[in-house]
Amino acid sequence: NAGVTQTPKFRILKIGQSMTLQCAQDMNHNYMYWYRQDPGMGLKLIYYSVGAGITDKGEVPNGYNVSRSTTEDFPLRLELAAPSQTSVYFCASSPGLADTDTQYFGPGTRLTVL
Amino acid sequence: AQSVTQLGSHVSVSEGALVLLRCNYSSSVPPYLFWYVQYPNQGLQLLLKYTTGATLVKGINGFEAEFKKSETSFHLTKPSAHMSDAAEYFCAVSKVGFQKLVFGTGTRLLVSP
Repeated sequence: NAGVTQTPKFRILKIGQSMTLQCAQDMNHNYMYWYRQDPGMGLKLIYYSVGAGITDKGEVPNGYNVSRSTTEDFPLRLELAAPSQTSVYFCASSPGLADTDTQYFGPGTRLTVL
Repeated sequence: AQSVTQLGSHVSVSEGALVLLRCNYSSSVPPYLFWYVQYPNQGLQLLLKYTTGATLVKGINGFEAEFKKSETSFHLTKPSAHMSDAAEYFCAVSKVGFQKLVFGTGTRLLVSP
């Protein structure tokens, strides 16, 4: 049981490049989330999904896009990378059965934009 | 709007000493409260959570937290620190009807021999 997996672990991008951060979970969870973690700032929610085909914006969605075509996968797309997007990105999932569900986090992707 | 304040970005203790990490929340309705731990170069994992009922919540690795409504607090404690407790700890809040967490800025716990 792998839980939540994220690829790549590290990536360096040039300004203006695009990339997709991959996230997959094998727990059959309905809800999935993308967060970014900046030093001293805690985690901020970028986008979330309550099921395949349904996504919604979180607190800091600008510059990002998501899609969810399957229950298992929730990729995050950066179209025009900017230095402000340098951060550690975490994907998480939860069953989506109750408000008190635990969120399970992946190991993160460290992204640097130069 | 909900928010979480964690007092102290860094807390240093000696091995065997009491650990106290502070968390205060702001919420217009009764909240759900969580503590997550992040070990170096890893994702977050749940330590404990308060939903309803007993206000003293026990979690993994000997940690516990007490929900005090009158003080809007949910401080995390452990009677005796271990070197393996060195990590970053995040307090988070959500509310009924929402599965979105609002995180505090985190407290890094340093444990010295």
